[in-house]
Amino acid sequence: DAKTTQPPSMDCAEGRAANLPCNHSTISGNEYVYWYRQIHSQGPQYIIHGLKNNETNEMASLIITEDRKSSTLILPHATLRDTAVYYCIVQNSGGSNYKLTFGKGTLLTVNP
Amino acid sequence: NAGVMQNPRHLVRRRGQEARLRCSPVKGHSHVYWYRQLPEEGLKFMVYLQKENIIDESGMPKERFSAEFPKEGPSILRIQQVVRGDSAAYFCASSPPVITEAFFGQGTRLTVV
Repeated sequence: DAKTTQPPSMDCAEGRAANLPCNHSTISGNEYVYWYRQIHSQGPQYIIHGLKNNETNEMASLIITEDRKSSTLILPHATLRDTAVYYCIVQNSGGSNYKLTFGKGTLLTVNP
Repeated sequence: NAGVMQNPRHLVRRRGQEARLRCSPVKGHSHVYWYRQLPEEGLKFMVYLQKENIIDESGMPKERFSAEFPKEGPSILRIQQVVRGDSAAYFCASSPPVITEAFFGQGTRLTVV
């Protein structure tokens, strides 16, 4: 079962920042927060992951609260092509970290 | 660089036939995973394989489903005697030996008629 809670849907205007929240109040010390997205009819795509520090890459930024019970994925300038289902996943760093548990995710719709 | 390649992209089978889904991982990746996405549902883990070994098949249905990742060639997910409930998108993913992120293919959409 997924260990995360996400809103089922969000809207964002094109060119604006999209902030996608995720609650993971039962996260344990060795678990990372991963974000993937799935554009309609395509395979999931890795976006970013982090443990406790904020992370940034060419796609997005990940802000993790100090108590690690929640996080926010930020797409700084959303485009129409960012319309997708975004999945927040907690995954440990140990031997069983290969198994991704996808919840229902957040359907982000970027509007022109 | 080629990503994960799955074929066919679309597969139609009649009830009772066999379905074979192929997955070529990213070059150099030794870990392969299969996930299934039923209509209007999330992705569910099925099986994790390394070359010539099944590591975890806890998500595989007990009957009719099998998977392999031979020393040479692609990984194969085989479904025998397909039923309508097998209709779904099947995604393959791969990762390098040090598992950081998974790279997914575009999936095979199986339709059982």
